[in-house]
Amino acid sequence: GNSVTQMEGPVTLSEEAFLTINCTYTATGYPSLFWYVQYPGEGLQLLLKATKADDKGSNKGFEATYRKETTSFHLEKGSVQVSDSAVYFCALSELANDYKLSFGAGTTVTVRA
Amino acid sequence: DTEVTQTPKHLVMGMTNKKSLKCEQHMGHRAMYWYKQKAKKPPELMFVYSYEKLSINESVPSRFSPECPNSSLLNLHLHALQPEDSALYLCASSQIGGPAGNEQFFGPGTRLTVL
Repeated sequence: GNSVTQMEGPVTLSEEAFLTINCTYTATGYPSLFWYVQYPGEGLQLLLKATKADDKGSNKGFEATYRKETTSFHLEKGSVQVSDSAVYFCALSELANDYKLSFGAGTTVTVRA
Repeated sequence: DTEVTQTPKHLVMGMTNKKSLKCEQHMGHRAMYWYKQKAKKPPELMFVYSYEKLSINESVPSRFSPECPNSSLLNLHLHALQPEDSALYLCASSQIGGPAGNEQFFGPGTRLTVL
């Protein structure tokens, strides 16, 4: 089977601080990896994705690199803003599971002004 | 159009009511999903329609009944719900097959409260 493990937090930061959220995975084959973000009161939005080893996904100043050797997909942002306060979910999908999404537990991030 | 729409945004119902949640996408996707999400937890998959064929999560109680009238529409019929069914219900859609095709697009959700 497959699974995703991410640090659960909560994480509280000051504006302009560096953010990193660790995510590791287990998979049967060669998964695609995703970070989804959920702002308060909203649905999930795809933040970034990577579909093969060494791919770097990036969006809105966030980055994550698909590391097959360490089975990791850590999310980073160099300078967070109050508007980045949200819940972040790491997820994977692969053919062996009919491309269903497997989510991590989610990490709540709060950025203080 | 890269949007998944859901109605209603909020729903309050009693345990004896019958109601329906609606979801629509116009991206030509052939897979649609219903998820249940409790606060600050990851979404839990309830149902998948792939090319209008249903796949069920066996743990979902029968008081939830999905319907897929066509490839763009997905409904979730609710009957005799329990207070523990109160949650955010999310709809999603995706293309089928291949790494580029398995990204799921989520709607804004319906916030359901069962009294």
